[in-house]
Amino acid sequence: RKEVEQDPGPFNVPEGATVAFNCTYSNSASQSFFWYRQDCRKEPKLLMSVYSSGNEDGRFTAQLNRASQYISLLIRDSKLSDSATYLCVVNFPTGGFKTIFGAGTRLFVKA
Amino acid sequence: GAGVSQTPSNKVTEKGKYVELRCDPISGHTALYWYRQSLGQGPEFLIYFQGTGAADDSGLPNDRFFAVRPEGSVSTLKIQRTERGDSAVYLCASGQGLNSPLHFGNGTRLTVT
Repeated sequence: RKEVEQDPGPFNVPEGATVAFNCTYSNSASQSFFWYRQDCRKEPKLLMSVYSSGNEDGRFTAQLNRASQYISLLIRDSKLSDSATYLCVVNFPTGGFKTIFGAGTRLFVKA
Repeated sequence: GAGVSQTPSNKVTEKGKYVELRCDPISGHTALYWYRQSLGQGPEFLIYFQGTGAADDSGLPNDRFFAVRPEGSVSTLKIQRTERGDSAVYLCASGQGLNSPLHFGNGTRLTVT
């Protein structure tokens, strides 16, 4: 089983739609979680951290379910500019800790 | 500059040659990561430094790959006897600790011909 798994998509949605991505992780000792966004041929950039209580940033909502070992990202009122690859990221201890990325979920928002 | 800097941005080399990729992290960041990313894939973990020491190098694919961070700042990823399968974008990222996000450089696109 991969350490971090995501549905690769692609998700094709119209402008204004709501879309949700899930991500599962294998290590129950994982301690911090993030969603990153990556545009074509660019480096990944932090979208938001994921807290145990859930958190919201404008049209974006992230949630963590430790019991089921998954995190989610909800995007409301999708914009054309939301088209990108969304990477799920998990930190887990290995003596120190290491940061593992999922393979990414591709989103295309159409006019 | 304030961000993570990687050089060169592009590197073309012949199969069998040796290459070095450099990463200059954000000042004060103690954690430094190297990842490799192929087209359509997520960043693949290679190695992580906390300060000068490699805290986890379990992602290095084989003994042709080696990385150093002698003074706890700049890091160099070294690849010996390059193979065509080593072609990818090599990303460096730095951070401040377990619960802090990583900041990425623009990457080095390595092409082995």
